[in-house]
Amino acid sequence: QVQMEESGPGLVKPSETLSLTCLVSGGSMSRYFWSWIRQSADKGLEWVGRIYSSGSTNYSPSLKSRVTMSIDTSKNKFSLRLTSVTAADTAVYYCARSTAGIMYYYMDVWGKGTTVTVSS
Amino acid sequence: QSVLTQPPSASGTPGQRVTITCSGRNSNIGTNTISWYQRLPGTAPKLLIYKTDQRPSGVPDRISGSKSGTSASLAISALQSEDEADYYCASWDDSLSDYVFGTGTKVTVL
Repeated sequence: QVQMEESGPGLVKPSETLSLTCLVSGGSMSRYFWSWIRQSADKGLEWVGRIYSSGSTNYSPSLKSRVTMSIDTSKNKFSLRLTSVTAADTAVYYCARSTAGIMYYYMDVWGKGTTVTVSS
Repeated sequence: QSVLTQPPSASGTPGQRVTITCSGRNSNIGTNTISWYQRLPGTAPKLLIYKTDQRPSGVPDRISGSKSGTSASLAISALQSEDEADYYCASWDDSLSDYVFGTGTKVTVL
């Protein structure tokens, strides 16, 4: 079965760039969307964005100016970059496999999450 | 702030039925299907319901989803101690071009 694991620095300084990678094992990345979601104590669950196996992306409007996602299906991984971080970006970041179509979109496999703290 | 509104808490005794509501707008629940996620303490969210009323393999049939207009519901029948968790609804919002989550409901088994 498909498993996913996030990795990256647990501590990022304000104004710097947060970079996370999600490694996918046990299945193909083709024909799926691959998403990032975060959860902070005060904001609940928040969708960051998604990337299709072809490389096309959609980002949350609130983060669009700072987010970049990339994918490498040959290495079974995809990545998130979030620039100019502030304390408000402190959260647990999850990667997830997603399925989408007309009128539906959902995440059926989730990673365990990685905690990122923004602090000097 | 979340676009989808849920009650902050719900509770019941073992064996009872608990229903969680999710209130949205025409641009999200009124147009698109809903997903429900369960988050047990210290774990990642788990998909419970997709396409409003479909259960993934492994989710028991005592859990069900529905929607009417711009509101959705998740019902848990025959409540068990293992159901104690946070529950979130979610839907695509056509106006925002964003995937929006509910505010979350903490279910307590008394």
